[in-house]
Amino acid sequence: QQQVKQSPQSLIVQKGGISIINCAYENTAFDYFPWYQQFPGKGPALLIAIRPDVSEKKEGRFTISFNKSAKQFSLHIMDSQPGDSATYFCAASMSGGSNYKLTFGKGTLLTVNP
Amino acid sequence: GAVVSQHPSWVICKSGTSVKIECRSLDFQATTMFWYRQFPKQSLMLMATSNEGSKATYEQGVEKDKFLINHASLTLSTLTVTSAHPEDSSFYICSASPRDRGPAYEQYFGPGTRLTVT
Repeated sequence: QQQVKQSPQSLIVQKGGISIINCAYENTAFDYFPWYQQFPGKGPALLIAIRPDVSEKKEGRFTISFNKSAKQFSLHIMDSQPGDSATYFCAASMSGGSNYKLTFGKGTLLTVNP
Repeated sequence: GAVVSQHPSWVICKSGTSVKIECRSLDFQATTMFWYRQFPKQSLMLMATSNEGSKATYEQGVEKDKFLINHASLTLSTLTVTSAHPEDSSFYICSASPRDRGPAYEQYFGPGTRLTVT
């Protein structure tokens, strides 16, 4: 049973456009929702994260929108750049747990065309 | 800050031999370290969770006798792939949760180790 569903699988955006990636979760005990960016052959890097006490968090061109009632959260990349081309993973975990295991979505391959 | 290193970055070994991969948190102490496996174009699959001084907790379906994890200190964890076979070829990634900086539920990932078994 996949607990975090991510869409789309792949996304092509023109430079300057907005990239939107969506995730939905099932476990209502999740209360920490990070997004990771991964370049080929590299480990994932923490991009931005949100807790359910806020509905939106913005860091530079990256924004997380969170809808607790719908159990959904999304990543918006404004003014997308070719350097943003990477695979993006959403994840979820329980911050109150003992080991904070992350449950990952399947990933979205973003291509930003120049 | 929050840097995690892995060594080696890539390794090629012959079938039947064992390979050790190191994971170090360079500028923080790690409460917990995690080991993941990632196949091409797929998501990360958690293999095991380890706490310093304790036995690792393995995910269902992961052979603990094949993938030996030693969490020797608050900054070092090792994964040993024993009697490696070609099907063990994969990208292995570790992550660490900080003990002394930021929320303990954040995970910082290493750069990964590419294992190829011939």
